[in-house]
Amino acid sequence: AQSVAQPEDQVNVAEGNPLTVKCTYSVSGNPYLFWYVQYPNRGLQFLLKYITGDNLVKGSYGFEAEFNKSQTSFHLKKPSALVSDSALYFCAVRDARSGNTPLVFGKGTRLSVIA
Amino acid sequence: DAGVTQSPTHLIKTRGQQVTLRCSPKSGHDTVSWYQQALGQGPQFIFQYYEEEERQRGNFPDRFSGHQFPNYSSELNVNALLLGDSALYLCASSPSGNYGYNEQFFGPGTRLTVL
Repeated sequence: AQSVAQPEDQVNVAEGNPLTVKCTYSVSGNPYLFWYVQYPNRGLQFLLKYITGDNLVKGSYGFEAEFNKSQTSFHLKKPSALVSDSALYFCAVRDARSGNTPLVFGKGTRLSVIA
Repeated sequence: DAGVTQSPTHLIKTRGQQVTLRCSPKSGHDTVSWYQQALGQGPQFIFQYYEEEERQRGNFPDRFSGHQFPNYSSELNVNALLLGDSALYLCASSPSGNYGYNEQFFGPGTRLTVL
């Protein structure tokens, strides 16, 4: 079975500081990993994904994520946070062997960027 | 290009009633998945439709049913509503092919409140 853990319910960071939102995963085979962002009363917006290759993945709005196979982690990062980055962030995983199966999501991490 | 659209935006029902939610996938996508997102939780997979057939199903009771039409749009039906069915219902679409590396594109969701 696949699972995702987002150990922090809330992350607070000052505007201009770097941010990290943590994610660890569990799959039987190799993972496909995804990050989504959700603004209030909105659906999920895709940020970035890891499929294979370079462990550092760059995505939308200046976000990037680092895949670490030995630590089974896929942490989301941004060098300089903006107030507009404040939102709910979800990490999701899919087993690479399983085709277009449903994504398994973590519980989400609320990011608050303070001016 | 219109993304994934859902209707209605909000819905209020009473216990025991039935509800139908609608989704139109992103242009070029033929696979539709439905998720339930309870307050403070990550999305939970309900079922997935492809070629007008239910291809996969999550751990939801038979009160939850769906349909996909020839134009790839989809409906989610919930019978005998319970208070616990109150949630944001998200529709997600993805392109054809059983490729796990494709991200899903989400609609804005339908907020269902059961009184």
